[in-house]
Amino acid sequence: EAGVTQSPRYAVLQEGQAVSFWCDPISGHDTLYWYQQPRDQGPQLLVYFRDEAVIDNSQLPSDRFSAVRPKGTNSTLKIQSAKQGDTATYLCASRTGDQDTQYFGPGTRLLVL
Amino acid sequence: GQQVQQSPSSLVLQEGENAELQCNFSSTATQLQWFYQSPGGSLVSLLSNPSGTKHTGRLTSTTVTKERRSSLHISSSQTTDSGTYLCAIGGSGGSNYKLTFGKGTLLTVTP
Repeated sequence: EAGVTQSPRYAVLQEGQAVSFWCDPISGHDTLYWYQQPRDQGPQLLVYFRDEAVIDNSQLPSDRFSAVRPKGTNSTLKIQSAKQGDTATYLCASRTGDQDTQYFGPGTRLLVL
Repeated sequence: GQQVQQSPSSLVLQEGENAELQCNFSSTATQLQWFYQSPGGSLVSLLSNPSGTKHTGRLTSTTVTKERRSSLHISSSQTTDSGTYLCAIGGSGGSNYKLTFGKGTLLTVTP
């Protein structure tokens, strides 16, 4: 069974540029999570979906960040105008509704100059 | 919101020594998980232990729910155990299930 995949693995931007991250969860997993992990911190939840519906996006900076999961499978997280404070690793995780374990992808490491 | 405190923030051991990692959390949690994050960043679930004691391999986790604390014991450490250990708590299960992570304990095991 394939794990959670993410792309790109690395991204380097200038402030003000836009970037999109893509996540393909484990097949059959209905719940998908996006986390932001700054250096030397634990992952912090940004948004999560069950199927195509947003369940909680309260920690997503809505002025610059957006996330979609239109068909309840793959998901895209976009930063419209990146800031240096967005420098972090962005992790995607998925789980199936009848289990509590979340399975994480390898992450995308973002550096904003 | 929920808060998770982990201690120590870092730990250096010689191979063969045991490690004891602590996790304290601010509110009742129905779920508690320990994760390992490799130096390359990949995050793997080690144990799910919301209460009581659970063993897997060289790992033992003990969670005392009413005292809002959990520990992870690593016996006979190996250099390959080096990395960051993260504790995470969650609320109710089902679709409304999200985790709050601590900052982690960075473990370095030297030969």
